[in-house]
Amino acid sequence: DTGVSQNPRHKITKRGQNVTFRCDPISEHNRLYWYRQTLGQGPEFLTYFQNEAQLEKSRLLSDRFSAERPKGSFSTLEIQRTEQGDSAMYLCASSPRGLTYNEQFFGPGTRLTVL
Amino acid sequence: QKEVEQNSGPLSVPEGAIASLNCTYSDRGSQSFFWYRQYSGKSPELIMFIYSNGDKEDGRFTAQLNKASQYVSLLIRDSQPSDSATYLCAVNNNNDMRFGAGTRLTVKP
Repeated sequence: DTGVSQNPRHKITKRGQNVTFRCDPISEHNRLYWYRQTLGQGPEFLTYFQNEAQLEKSRLLSDRFSAERPKGSFSTLEIQRTEQGDSAMYLCASSPRGLTYNEQFFGPGTRLTVL
Repeated sequence: QKEVEQNSGPLSVPEGAIASLNCTYSDRGSQSFFWYRQYSGKSPELIMFIYSNGDKEDGRFTAQLNKASQYVSLLIRDSQPSDSATYLCAVNNNNDMRFGAGTRLTVKP
């Protein structure tokens, strides 16, 4: 399978715990995006990497959220001290390198439930 | 005003009919425009994108763009029950992608 992969697919945690999600983009894609989606809403931008550089981070993202892409390949999204409001689907997408129209391809998502 | 607006629906059409989905956006600097399909509990799937004014056809799907009116639409011809899903409009400006909340489409057999 050459698509975007995400792990785990589901995560249930207790409030106050830390969680980490992983995203593996399509291999030839150098741009990687994280989004959060809640029921009835479209994906909401969280952060964006080009290769290993984090180029943009949503102002809505609290300091409990951090993302890395250390070697420009896979990326991790960590949420510290989770809150019930963090319950959502976390989506990763990747986009091809070079001059493109920024067409993004999504992974299957990680569904987070904070109890 | 939301950056990307879509009617939430539900939009219901009979099988074989044309489904018309609409989207307006506020950022005049937007450069490319996307339609994604999302089945319940699944992630968005790219259907097609458009970047020039006019129509772009791909199989049963036609995307239409009018930058002057800041309007994008998606037509689905010969709608099938398998087309029942939420359709997300997304608007891109320099790697900044903004999504609408989606229109729920139901195609009735």
